[in-house]
Formats: sequence, structure tokens, C-alpha cells
Amino acid sequence: QKEVEQDPGPLSVPEGAIVSLNCTYSNSAFQYFMWYRQYSRKGPELLMYTYSSGNKEDGRFTAQVDKSSKYISLFIRDSQPSDSATYLCAMEGDNFNKFYFGSGTKLNVKP
Amino acid sequence: NAGVMQNPRHLVRRRGQEARLRCSPMKGHSHVYWYRQLPEEGLKFMVYLQKENIIDESGMPKERFSAEFPKEGPSILRIQQVVRGDSAAYFCASSPLGGPYEQYFGPGTRLTVT
Repeated sequence: QKEVEQDPGPLSVPEGAIVSLNCTYSNSAFQYFMWYRQYSRKGPELLMYTYSSGNKEDGRFTAQVDKSSKYISLFIRDSQPSDSATYLCAMEGDNFNKFYFGSGTKLNVKP
Repeated sequence: NAGVMQNPRHLVRRRGQEARLRCSPMKGHSHVYWYRQLPEEGLKFMVYLQKENIIDESGMPKERFSAEFPKEGPSILRIQQVVRGDSAAYFCASSPLGGPYEQYFGPGTRLTVT
């Protein structure tokens, strides 16, 4: 079983839609949860991070963590064509040495 | 405001040759991480280094791969006797204090082994 599972998509939505991206994980020791955005042939860019359970909002982006279900989500409101990218979840908990990434969900926002 | 720099951006090597990938962290960052990304897959942790120290290399293959981060100069990921399975994108990330939530990634080096 992989440490982190993420649906690869692709997910195609019309412009303005609310997008929900999700990851599940198996290691209850994970405490830091991150979301990265990666455009084609570029390096990942950190979008948001949260610590432990709860919600965090930043502009059009909201990150949610449910540790009891081992489930994290990223919501994108009023999605734009420029949001079209691959979104990677990542998490860390044992120490600050090793981070575990999901395989990424490819999002396409159609104008 | 220079970000993380990696070079070369593209590298082609024949089987059996050596590949050297360089990573210059952001100014003021003393923690470097290397990751490998295969097509349609997520990033796989390889190694975590601080200046002159390897902190965690548990994700790096035991043979042919090595990494260093000298006191002066960039971090180097070295792959000896490359094989076709080494073809991938290699990313480095740097962090000021080692915290996971402040990793900044470089643009990656795409290694192709022919």
C-alpha cells in the first residue's frame, strides 16, 4: 500500500467551477500537509500547508485536513484556465527528513 | 530574487556514462533535498543534505548514486554508470531551516539515458 494515494485524473471543469482535489494516506504520524501546483515541465510550487487537522484559507484556495479519516482536500473556488496544472499533495510526520508525495491530479479548466 | 537553480536543465547520457546534476539553493538556505519524478508519477524523496552533511539518504539507491553539499558551491547529485531506468526528472528543493512547509523547488533536470 502506498503511503499517499491521489486520483491521477484528469479532472476537467468549466471556468468558474469549484474544484475539489483529494488525497488519502495511511500513516497516522503525518502532521504537516502540503499542496503543490506543478505546471508542465516545471518544478512544483508550494500553494498551502496545514498542520494537524482543520481548515486553512488563502484567497480562492482552501485546504482541509481530517486526520481521523486520514483524508485531505484542496478546494479551488472560481477556477480559472490558469489553474490548469497538476496538483500534488505531500505530507510529513516522522521527522523533517522525509516527505511523501501523492502522484498528482491533473486539472484542466476550460474557458 | 534568485530562486533555486538547477543545471543542466536537460542532460543526455549513454548507458554506462556518469551524470552530474547541480543544485544551487536559494540565498540563505542551507538545507537541500533531492527528488526523482518519473512520468505520470509523484516525487520520490532521495536524499536530504545540509552543508557538508548527509542527513538522510534512505530514498537513494545504494549503488551508483551519491550526493554531496560542500561548504562552498552547489549540491551535486551524481549517478555513475547510468542505465535507461535512470531516465527521469530530478528536482532539488531548498529550505531555510529544514521545515517541510518551506521547501522551494528548482525547475528540474531532465535526464535521458540512451
